[in-house]
Formats: sequence, structure tokens, C-alpha cells
Amino acid sequence: KNQVEQSPQSLIILEGKNCTLQCNYTVSPFSNLRWYKQDTGRGPVSLTIMTFSENTKSNGRYTATLDADTKQSSLHITASQLSDSASYICVVRPPRGGADGLTFGKGTHLIIQP
Amino acid sequence: EADIYQTPRYLVIGTGKKITLECSQTMGHDKMYWYQQDPGMELHLIHYSYGVNSTEKGDLSSESTVSRIRTEHFPLTLESARPSHTSQYLCASSDQNEQFFGPGTRLTVL
Repeated sequence: KNQVEQSPQSLIILEGKNCTLQCNYTVSPFSNLRWYKQDTGRGPVSLTIMTFSENTKSNGRYTATLDADTKQSSLHITASQLSDSASYICVVRPPRGGADGLTFGKGTHLIIQP
Repeated sequence: EADIYQTPRYLVIGTGKKITLECSQTMGHDKMYWYQQDPGMELHLIHYSYGVNSTEKGDLSSESTVSRIRTEHFPLTLESARPSHTSQYLCASSDQNEQFFGPGTRLTVL
């Protein structure tokens, strides 16, 4: 079964610090890998999307990397802000497309402390 | 922010009640989805639709039903709610590239 494993499960850092979240997946090949941010009580919002051939994508203070050889992706957050407190979900889409085939990770719960 | 809406946002009901969770989108997307998400867990697909009059069951077995009479509307119904149905329900729609999520409905069945 295709799996997406994320680590750490939760993380607490001080405001202004950097952090890196990890995603390991078994879906291969895949159409794209996406990182979502989900605020408490809200739906997920897309941060970055990478295809199989890309290895980095930035969106402001968020930078996602992809290593297709090791089947790993990471999300790096620079100069964290209180508003970054949320769950970050890694999602892999297999090549047959159709979002019914999406595989979701459980997410990393990030807390930014002042 | 995506134009996809869910009502109600929060619902607390007693066991045995029939409920309908509403979802609508104004983006003209053919594909729509319902996910169930428990705290700290991944999203599980329970229903999806490729367009009007199309409904399919997802990976996670669910006692709920859905209908797709109009493109913009994809309601989910529980005929007889039970405490095991307590969860967050997320609706989504997608174009060719991205899936857009609604804000979710937090359902509590007492």
C-alpha cells in the first residue's frame, strides 16, 4: 500500500527560528508531491507543489525539497512567525491522476512560541 | 482563498438524528470530494464525484451517502448519526492541477 510518513509528529520552536519537516513516501513514480498547511479547525491550503523532476520549490519563507532517489521531501520554514503554527501535511499524487488516488501523511503539528 | 464553502461549521447532535452536511463551490469544478479527518490523523477519502450524477465510494468505508444533482453542490447525509461518526468532515473540489478544500464541519454526536 502506498504510504506517506511524516516526522516529527509534533514540533515546538521559538518565534524567529528555522525548522525542517520531513516526509518519506513509497509512492513511486508519482505525478506530484504537495505540502499543505492546515490551521486548526480549517481546511488544508496548498503551499508548494513539485513534480517528479523538480527538486526544490519556494513560496515565501517556505521551501520544499524533493529527492526522488531516496523518496524523501522536506519543508523548510525560515524565520518562523506565530502564524506558522499549524499542521503541515505532505500529499503524494500517483501518475494515474484523479485526486481519488491521493495519499496523505498524518501531518506535523508545529507550534511557534513567542 | 478558494471559493468552496461548508455549512454548518460546527454541529452537535444526538444519536439517531439524520443530518446533512452542505458543500458548495463556485469554481465550476467537476471533481468533488468528501474526506474524514480525526485529530492528529491523515485525511481519509469517503466519497468523490467526477460530475453531475456521478458518485463513488472512497477508500474509507462510511455509512454516509452523497448526491451530485448540480455541479456546484455535493451534500453528505448521515441517516442515523452515531457517536462513532464524531469527526471533522472536509469537502474539496479540484481542477487539473490542484485540490481546494473547504473549511470543514466539526461533527460531534452525543
